[in-house]
Amino acid sequence: AQTVTQSQPEMSVQEAETVTLSCTYDTSESDYYLFWYKQPPSRQMILVIRQEAYKQQNATENRFSVNFQKAAKSFSLKISDSQLGDAAMYFCAYRSSGGATNKLIFGTGTLLAVQP
Amino acid sequence: DAMVIQNPRYQVTQFGKPVTLSCSQTLNHNVMYWYQQKSSQAPKLLFHYYDKDFNNEADTPDNFQSRRPNTSFCFLDIRSPGLGDAAMYLCATSGPGAGVLDTQYFGPGTRLTVL
Repeated sequence: AQTVTQSQPEMSVQEAETVTLSCTYDTSESDYYLFWYKQPPSRQMILVIRQEAYKQQNATENRFSVNFQKAAKSFSLKISDSQLGDAAMYFCAYRSSGGATNKLIFGTGTLLAVQP
Repeated sequence: DAMVIQNPRYQVTQFGKPVTLSCSQTLNHNVMYWYQQKSSQAPKLLFHYYDKDFNNEADTPDNFQSRRPNTSFCFLDIRSPGLGDAAMYLCATSGPGAGVLDTQYFGPGTRLTVL
């Protein structure tokens, strides 16, 4: 069975600085998808960024980018120019590529605080 | 805007009193999911519908049931809530019609309190 591990329960960053959130996963599959979801306090979970395992190029979405290391099974999220609105719980998630439904396996989350 | 809506946002029930949580979507997605998220934990999938086909996770207690009367609506029924069922319940959808096929779109959640 696949597992997702986020080893940083909490992180803090100064506004305008850069922070990296760690995620590792375990799988025997060769093709899959990885996601970072953001869950602000009392607000709904939204997708931040996604990565297809077959793509070597790291995904980027504006200030958010990932460092995908397939051999190491590592998928870290870098937030550049951090803003107060980035404060949230961040979940790393895994999805197998096969099957019609995309069951997500989540990590335990990293709570990010942004200091003004 | 197309979205996933959950009602109510907060639900209080008594121990053993059946409760129903509601989810609706305007995304026309064919897959709908129910997750349970306890405090400071990751969301845990309870079950999902692919169209009308119901798929239960192996470790989902029998106390949890679901109904999907049409594409837009899905309900989570907790037949006899226990104190351990207090949690945030998240509804999500995925499928063709809007956005990326692989992406799940989440509702704001219903926070269930069991007294």
